[in-house]
Amino acid sequence: EAQVTQNPRYLITVTGKKLTVTCSQNMNHEYMSWYRQDPGLGLRQIYYSMNVEVTDKGDVPEGYKVSRKEKRNFPLILESPSPNQTSLYFCASSFQGVTREQYFGPGTRLTVT
Amino acid sequence: KNEVEQSPQNLTAQEGEFITINCSYSVGISALHWLQQHPGGGIVSLFMLSSGKKKHGRLIATINIQEKHSSLHITASHPRDSAVYICAVAGNNDMRFGAGTRLTVKP
Repeated sequence: EAQVTQNPRYLITVTGKKLTVTCSQNMNHEYMSWYRQDPGLGLRQIYYSMNVEVTDKGDVPEGYKVSRKEKRNFPLILESPSPNQTSLYFCASSFQGVTREQYFGPGTRLTVT
Repeated sequence: KNEVEQSPQNLTAQEGEFITINCSYSVGISALHWLQQHPGGGIVSLFMLSSGKKKHGRLIATINIQEKHSSLHITASHPRDSAVYICAVAGNNDMRFGAGTRLTVKP
């Protein structure tokens, strides 16, 4: 089944404890992206990747890191999480960029206390 | 002012009604996406448009590039259409989103 998977789906952590949210797709997609969704602010793009080893900042990259070492994986790293990073996070992928259908992962609900 | 504006924010309809959700944007775009977010939180892509009109079942999406406006129509609405509908505009490689329209269809 073609899908985007994210792990973990739910995470409660404490300020400053490094964490990684994984994202994997099995559709051989070139484009992958991370978004956060907050009440009243909607979805906002954090980082995106056009292909392996090619990443770029979205609208809200502060406090996040990404890497794209393999085509199928695009992990989101929070090196020192803070409470303002409490949010619902979505990973998405597409065959080639933003002018193709976007496939979203199921979401990761992160709480930082 | 947000770059992507959706209206209405909330919409309640009776089953069978014709629904229209509007999206206006102020930036240049390469494409426009309509997304559906279910009550459980999952997001699915409904349409991707760069011009004209697309139809899938009871859903129709249109875009007017000159007026920077898109509409999503749902014909013969059904309670299972209850969801948040999100408009997203694609730039070169980035995406910007509207705040969403929460649709409730009552039986």
